[in-house]
Amino acid sequence: RKEVEQDPGPFNVPEGATVAFNCTYSNSASQSFFWYRQDCRKEPKLLMSVYSSGNEDGRFTAQLNRASQYISLLIRDSKLSDSATYLCVVNYNQGGKLIFGQGTELSVKP
Amino acid sequence: DAGVIQSPRHEVTEMGQEVTLRCKPISGHDYLFWYRQTMMRGLELLIYFNNNVPIDDSGMPEDRFSAKMPNASFSTLKIQPSEPRDSAVYFCASRRVNYGYTFGSGTRLTVV
Repeated sequence: RKEVEQDPGPFNVPEGATVAFNCTYSNSASQSFFWYRQDCRKEPKLLMSVYSSGNEDGRFTAQLNRASQYISLLIRDSKLSDSATYLCVVNYNQGGKLIFGQGTELSVKP
Repeated sequence: DAGVIQSPRHEVTEMGQEVTLRCKPISGHDYLFWYRQTMMRGLELLIYFNNNVPIDDSGMPEDRFSAKMPNASFSTLKIQPSEPRDSAVYFCASRRVNYGYTFGSGTRLTVV
């Protein structure tokens, strides 16, 4: 079993749609969680951290369920510019390495 | 803040040649990571350093790969000899404790 698993997609949605990505992680000792975004042929960039109480940043909402070892990202009112690959990331301890999922590809169409 | 700087951006080399990739982390970041990304395997952690000391090199695929961090502002990843299956994008990233990574722009390596 992979340490971090995501549905690879692709998710093809029309502009304005709401889309949700899910991610599961295997290590219950994981302590911090992030969503990264990667555009084609570019480096991954931090989209948002994920907090236990859930958090929102504009059109983006992240949720964490520690009991189920599950993380989600919700994008509302999707834009063409949201087309990218979204990477779920977990960290087992505060200092060390981050473990990346394979990524979920999103394509937003006009 | 100049970000994480990697060089070269692109490298094309012949099988059997030595390849050296370079990385300058963000000043003040005490962790440095080397990742490799391919379509098939996604992002794989190769090795990471804390305060210039290698902490975990379990992801280094073979003895042909080696990494050094002689000081806080510079790291290298060397492949000798290179093989076509080493073709990938190699990312360097740095971070401070409790923060996410900042990635460099990557080096796109092609071994022919």
